[in-house]
Amino acid sequence: DIVMTQTPLSLSVTPGQPASISCKSSQSLLYSDGKTYLYWYLQKPGQPPQLLIYEVSKRFSGVPDRFSGSGSGTDFTLKISRVEAEDVGVYYCMQSIQVPWTFGQGTKVETK
Amino acid sequence: QVHLVQSGAEVKKPGASVKVSCKASASTFSSSDFNWVRQATGQGPEWMGYMTPHSGSTGYAQRFQGRVTMTRDTSISTAYMELSSLTSEDTAIYYCVHMAIWGQGTMVTVSS
Repeated sequence: DIVMTQTPLSLSVTPGQPASISCKSSQSLLYSDGKTYLYWYLQKPGQPPQLLIYEVSKRFSGVPDRFSGSGSGTDFTLKISRVEAEDVGVYYCMQSIQVPWTFGQGTKVETK
Repeated sequence: QVHLVQSGAEVKKPGASVKVSCKASASTFSSSDFNWVRQATGQGPEWMGYMTPHSGSTGYAQRFQGRVTMTRDTSISTAYMELSSLTSEDTAIYYCVHMAIWGQGTMVTVSS
């Protein structure tokens, strides 16, 4: 199974300040079709995970442009340019290049 | 736009089975696999398996082999996940995931 390692596991951010989460995979997530199957989700309390970023850097419909994804191969980063109160929750990276899908441990983001 | 509606919460006794449904829009039903992911309280997501709508083919996580069955009814654009021989460790929220979008979740509680 592909192991997904997220850091940090928790983050306390002053509103308006940036935040960054790293995700490393134990194998390359680049598939033969040229796509890299790395996703970022935000799970707010009591809700299902909501898609933020797919294929490393593509923002899903309706996701604010303060969220951005980058990386390649095995190293990926989610950045929030200016954290807002509504951004609190647990962020997960996930790979779907290979079954079983696997997830990072989650990064809990809170505001100060 | 992907829209998924899952069946309601279930309470089951140990040893019983549960069947969760996930209804998708007819326009997107056959576009992509249905994956099922579960999440116990306070835990990260855990992938259970997938079902390909047009063929009905399936793939299951090793730990659920022999206990899980994923099916579909194309006439009503609905995917199903049935889990048997339930124990208290199966208490979790069960999500269907289609085109990277998660359903609202179905709480399954296993208790004597």
